[in-house]
Amino acid sequence: GAVVSQHPSRVICKSGTSVKIECRSLDFQATTMFWYRQFPKKSLMLMATSNEGSKATYEQGVEKDKFLINHASLTLSTLTVTSAHPEDSSFYICSARDRVVEPYGYTFGSGTRLTVV
Amino acid sequence: AQSVSQHNHHVILSEAASLELGCNYSYGGTVNLFWYVQYPGQHLQLLLKYFSGDPLVKGIKGFEAEFIKSKFSFNLRKPSVQWSDTAEYFCAVRASNTGFQKLVFGTGTRLLVSP
Repeated sequence: GAVVSQHPSRVICKSGTSVKIECRSLDFQATTMFWYRQFPKKSLMLMATSNEGSKATYEQGVEKDKFLINHASLTLSTLTVTSAHPEDSSFYICSARDRVVEPYGYTFGSGTRLTVV
Repeated sequence: AQSVSQHNHHVILSEAASLELGCNYSYGGTVNLFWYVQYPGQHLQLLLKYFSGDPLVKGIKGFEAEFIKSKFSFNLRKPSVQWSDTAEYFCAVRASNTGFQKLVFGTGTRLLVSP
């Protein structure tokens, strides 16, 4: 089945630095990828939708200059948390749509635990 | 905007007990409904989905869900749970007003099955 690889699984960074998270579709082409943030004991909150070759669409309240999303190829999307602060510490999850293997379905990465110290 | 409510945040059951997890959504148009499971340390996996047709949907691992349009509900059920069903369960909805693109999740229900 479809597999999405997310890297790194855990990262600790200093306040003020930037962190890049990668999301790769390993065996399918993902024209659309989604980035979620999961707060403790809360739901997955959709941050943005990225379409290959175009600008990402951000949800209301998500700072696009802080959370930079790039979807340069059909198999790779990246999320860069810029000038990270402790409040950005969270669990970030990507997902990709595989129109061929599972029409209108979604495959999720295993997530990235970001800790900003 | 669409939203999803999961009423049970934590559920504790003994093995062989029956399970029902509630899910209600708020959107009057056409919706697709999903249940996902997240085992400890693993990624989200699809349990089942409803797009159209028979409102009783059967998924993997003995799970099923029933879409009741009049109640805006999509409750998840399993007649007899196992210890291995310990996980977090998420209901999710996508709607026609977003072109069926955006998946909106409920807050999740953490299920603990004791042996």
